Amino acid sequence: DAGITQSPRHKVTETGTPVTLRCHQTENHRYMYWYRQDPGHGLRLIHYSYGVKDTDKGEVSDGYSVSRSKTEDFLLTLESATSSQTSVYFCASRQDSTDTQYFGPGTRLTVL
Amino acid sequence: AQSVTQLGSHVSVSEGALVLLRCNYSSSVPPYLFWYVQYPNQGLQLLLKYTSAATLVKGINGFEAEFKKSETSFHLTKPSAHMSDAAEYFCAVSRTGGGNKLTFGTGTQLKVEL
Repeated sequence: DAGITQSPRHKVTETGTPVTLRCHQTENHRYMYWYRQDPGHGLRLIHYSYGVKDTDKGEVSDGYSVSRSKTEDFLLTLESATSSQTSVYFCASRQDSTDTQYFGPGTRLTVL
Repeated sequence: AQSVTQLGSHVSVSEGALVLLRCNYSSSVPPYLFWYVQYPNQGLQLLLKYTSAATLVKGINGFEAEFKKSETSFHLTKPSAHMSDAAEYFCAVSRTGGGNKLTFGTGTQLKVEL
């Protein structure tokens, strides 16, 4: 499996504050993804990246931005957190040779 | 556009019984199909995948799935359930190009009873 870590693993914050979640991979994968998981919805794609400084929107991108300044790091930012962004966030990276995405352990975010 | 439907948000089986989790997909191009498993408070782990080779795909932990184009299905099976199989299972579809994005079903929670 790809070495993917996420930080922090848990975070509680207040409405209106900025939040940044970090994803780090050690496999030199070109593609990286951010998903959110909510009951009854499965996982939904927020943003993805296909290279350094190359990103695109996913299905539920409103209220989120991303940045990728290095191959190994993909940051997800909530500029002004809202209660509707309370969720579990998963990062993934894709192994080109096998067309397979590998997932990090997740970050549980609570917005009060 | 692509989509996945998982029939049954909760499935309960007895230990030793057949496990059958259903997945139907919609895709405008030949799809790649995946099953992932999620244990409580953990990330997603790949069980198996179909990428246009053999239609019967074997995965880890004794699971397998069969790709049936005529039925647009990719159901997950295991002949004999074990207590350790209790988890949530997600079916997902992707296609080459377009960011190779995965579209997930809403998940099926598998409960295994003694």
